[in-house]
Amino acid sequence: DAGVTQSPTHLIKTRGQQVTLRCSPKSGHDTVSWYQQALGQGPQFIFQYYEEEERQRGNFPDRFSGHQFPNYSSELNVNALLLGDSALYLCASSGGTSYDTQYFGPGTRLTVL
Amino acid sequence: DQQVKQNSPSLSVQEGRISILNCDYTNSMFDYFLWYKKYPAEGPTFLISISSIKDKNEDGRFTVFLNKSAKHLSLHIVPSQPGDSAVYFCAASANGGGADGLTFGKGTHLIIQP
Repeated sequence: DAGVTQSPTHLIKTRGQQVTLRCSPKSGHDTVSWYQQALGQGPQFIFQYYEEEERQRGNFPDRFSGHQFPNYSSELNVNALLLGDSALYLCASSGGTSYDTQYFGPGTRLTVL
Repeated sequence: DQQVKQNSPSLSVQEGRISILNCDYTNSMFDYFLWYKKYPAEGPTFLISISSIKDKNEDGRFTVFLNKSAKHLSLHIVPSQPGDSAVYFCAASANGGGADGLTFGKGTHLIIQP
């Protein structure tokens, strides 16, 4: 049973560019959450998608947007990249028999130059 | 304003002894707490959780204790093994653990010494 998968593994962009990160949830999960983890910090909640709608959002600007597809996979889009957006972006899924637990993918390391 | 605090950035424990990792929270609305373990270049791995209606939950070598009046929880690992060396994150939620964004502490780096 495949766990949460994310692509790409690493990404390098320049300031002002746009980026799209992708996530496939664990089999049987219908909820996807995105987190940003800066160096030396804990993950910070960006937003959560359920039934193709943004259900909850953390304290992130509108430059961060997302989407969930009918197969429950999800994308995170970041526009007008800033140097401070350099971080590890983590996707987590939950749902089904794992309603109370979020399971994380390996993350995408984004570097903004 | 940090709602979940892990005040020890690092902890060194001898192999075979007990490791105790601590976490404090400030938001009274939190009702579900989780511990994750993270190795470098990997995503967090779920370890154990506890609902606010309980004060203890055990799973093998891992036990989590919750003291609601003190807004404090702790993770006990007995006995500690070399593979336990990792960064441990405490996380909290106000609506179960899955249907809500988690609030994380900054983590504690546990080092198990042979």
